[in-house]
Amino acid sequence: GEDVEQSLFLSVREGDSSVINCTYTDSSSTYLYWYKQEPGAGLQLLTYIFSNMDMKQDQRLTVLLNKKDKHLSLRIADTQTGDSAIYFCAEVGANNLFFGTGTRLTVIP
Amino acid sequence: DVKVTQSSRYLVKRTGEKVFLECVQDMDHENMFWYRQDPGLGLRLIYFSYDVKMKEKGDIPEGYSVSREKKERFSLILESASTNQTSMYLCASSPRQGGNQPQHFGDGTRLSIL
Repeated sequence: GEDVEQSLFLSVREGDSSVINCTYTDSSSTYLYWYKQEPGAGLQLLTYIFSNMDMKQDQRLTVLLNKKDKHLSLRIADTQTGDSAIYFCAEVGANNLFFGTGTRLTVIP
Repeated sequence: DVKVTQSSRYLVKRTGEKVFLECVQDMDHENMFWYRQDPGLGLRLIYFSYDVKMKEKGDIPEGYSVSREKKERFSLILESASTNQTSMYLCASSPRQGGNQPQHFGDGTRLSIL
């Protein structure tokens, strides 16, 4: 399978911005996804970016894509305690998605 | 909204038992997937299915089998449960063949094998 890498942990203070980073391996991936997993729940699709885009903004979320470096990031502005969760990036494979290990975001009040 | 329903949120079984995990989706999706999630390892694909009666091995199929007798239902079977199969199991579905469509997940089944 593909090797999608993320840092395991991130802590930020409430109101600050969070940046979650991801590196992927397949330059032919057409879409890249961000999923959010709240405690005890399944994964919820948060946002996605098409590979011909550099940036996508959706309210407090900004996705940046650097195809040259195969680097994807998710920025959450004005982070709230409700944003505490595990965030997974995923890239498209031949028949499936390949997920990173997930980054556990902790928001400190 | 897509609804993926896993039959149990928590399950406790004994070593050697045959265990069935059930998943149902209500959006007529062709593709269905079973993952297990372990701390520090992310999601690992066990099996997936493109259509009724079709199945493909994922990255870690050993010790598991699957059944897709109806389009909406995808079952994961642990033939003889072992303690190293204690994990969170996640089912997902997506429309059409190919990986371009996002997957929709159930809430997961936390399985403990004693």
